[in-house]
Amino acid sequence: GESVGLHLPTLSVQEGDNSIINCAYSNSASDYFIWYKQESGKGPQFIIDIRSNMDKRQGQRVTVLLNKTVKHLSLQIAATQPGDSAVYFCAEKRATSYDKVIFGPGTSLSVIP
Amino acid sequence: DTEVTQTPKHLVMGMTNKKSLKCEQHMGHRAMYWYKQKAKKPPELMFVYSYEKLSINESVPSRFSPECPNSSLLNLHLHALQPEDSALYLCASSYWEAGELFFGEGSRLTVL
Repeated sequence: GESVGLHLPTLSVQEGDNSIINCAYSNSASDYFIWYKQESGKGPQFIIDIRSNMDKRQGQRVTVLLNKTVKHLSLQIAATQPGDSAVYFCAEKRATSYDKVIFGPGTSLSVIP
Repeated sequence: DTEVTQTPKHLVMGMTNKKSLKCEQHMGHRAMYWYKQKAKKPPELMFVYSYEKLSINESVPSRFSPECPNSSLLNLHLHALQPEDSALYLCASSYWEAGELFFGEGSRLTVL
C-alpha cells in the first residue's frame, strides 16, 4: 500500500558534520509533511514542517527540502551535535476521507564524538 | 502549559484484566490521538478525536476502547488484551485535525 518510507534505517555522522536524512513518499495527495525526533524513552517531538506549496523551509540548524517531482523529502541538520542522536521520522498528512498523520519507518541517527 | 501528560508511565496486566490509560492536555487543542508504537517501529495511528467526537478508528480491535470525556482528557480502556498488544501507547494532541502533533511520553504496556 501507499506509505511514507525512508532510504536508510541508520545513519552515523561525526560530531560537527552535517547530517542528511531522506524520506520517500508515494501519496501525491499529501499536502503537509512533518519531521519528528524521538529520543530514547520519550515521545516524538516536532522539528520542522513544510507544506506542498513550498520546496524549502529552514529552522534553527535544520532545513527541510521537498521535491514533489520525485516525491522526496529530506532533513538536513547542520553541525550535528551528540544531542541530535535520536530516531527521526518523516510524517505526512494524508488527505483521505479524513486527514490523518502517517509516520514513515524512521532513521536512527548516531553522532560520533 | 505545553505538555501532554500520560498516566501511568508503565503498566503490566494479565489477559483477563481491565485497565485504562489516561491522557491530559491543557493547550486548548481540539484534536486528540492514540498511537501505538512497537520497538524500532514508527507510531501507528489508532484513534482520532476531533471536538470530542471520534473521527477516525483505524480498524482497531474492540478490546481497545477510547473515550474522550472532555476536550482536555482522553482515555484508552483496555480489556482482554493479548501479549502482542504489548507496546508503547502514545497520546498526542493538535490545534486542528492532522496538524502539528504534541506527544506525551507514552505509557509502556506489557501484557502477560
